[in-house]
Amino acid sequence: AQRVTQPEKLLSVFKGAPVELKCNYSYSGSPELFWYVQYSRQRLQLLLRHISRESIKGFTADLNKGETSFHLKKPFAQEEDSAMYYCALSNSNTGKLIFGQGTTLQVKP
Amino acid sequence: KAGVTQTPRYLIKTRGQQVTLSCSPISGHRSVSWYQQTPGQGLQFLFEYFSETQRNKGNFPGRFSGRQFSNSRSEMNVSTLELGDSALYLCASSLSTGYATEAFFGQGTRLTVV
Repeated sequence: AQRVTQPEKLLSVFKGAPVELKCNYSYSGSPELFWYVQYSRQRLQLLLRHISRESIKGFTADLNKGETSFHLKKPFAQEEDSAMYYCALSNSNTGKLIFGQGTTLQVKP
Repeated sequence: KAGVTQTPRYLIKTRGQQVTLSCSPISGHRSVSWYQQTPGQGLQFLFEYFSETQRNKGNFPGRFSGRQFSNSRSEMNVSTLELGDSALYLCASSLSTGYATEAFFGQGTRLTVV
């Protein structure tokens, strides 16, 4: 079965500390993986996707096919990074996204 | 350009009633997907429409249905409402259905069933 697992419901760090939000997936094939973010009172939006191999707002994510993981990392957390983060995968050429349960990142001053 | 627009933003309905939610995608986007978001289950895929055809369906009962019009606007209908249908319903549109296409989400319709 296709599944995305985010083991942490809440991750709390201090400003300037490194951040790693974990994401593991199960999928038989070559999925495309995404991180979506929802800031307070804003709509869900794309943060980054594996295929682009880009760094957005200092965040990066590396796909590890051996460990079936797509962890999101940032070396120095900022208060404005506080938000809900969702890992998601899509398959084939459809618009269907399978989301993890989400992790709330809280960056304390 | 205007984002994905969902109407209404809030709805209160009684058990047994039916409800229709509307989604206007970003201009030019042909794919529209619907998701149900609840604290317990998180974000769950309902269905996806592309060029007026349902291409994918999630594991929801037949009470949940949808359609897409020729202008790509989409509606979602839930009949015989149950208390458990209370949720935030999100619509997302995409330019195409190519690999790794970005989905743009609306602000959602908050449905409360009493």
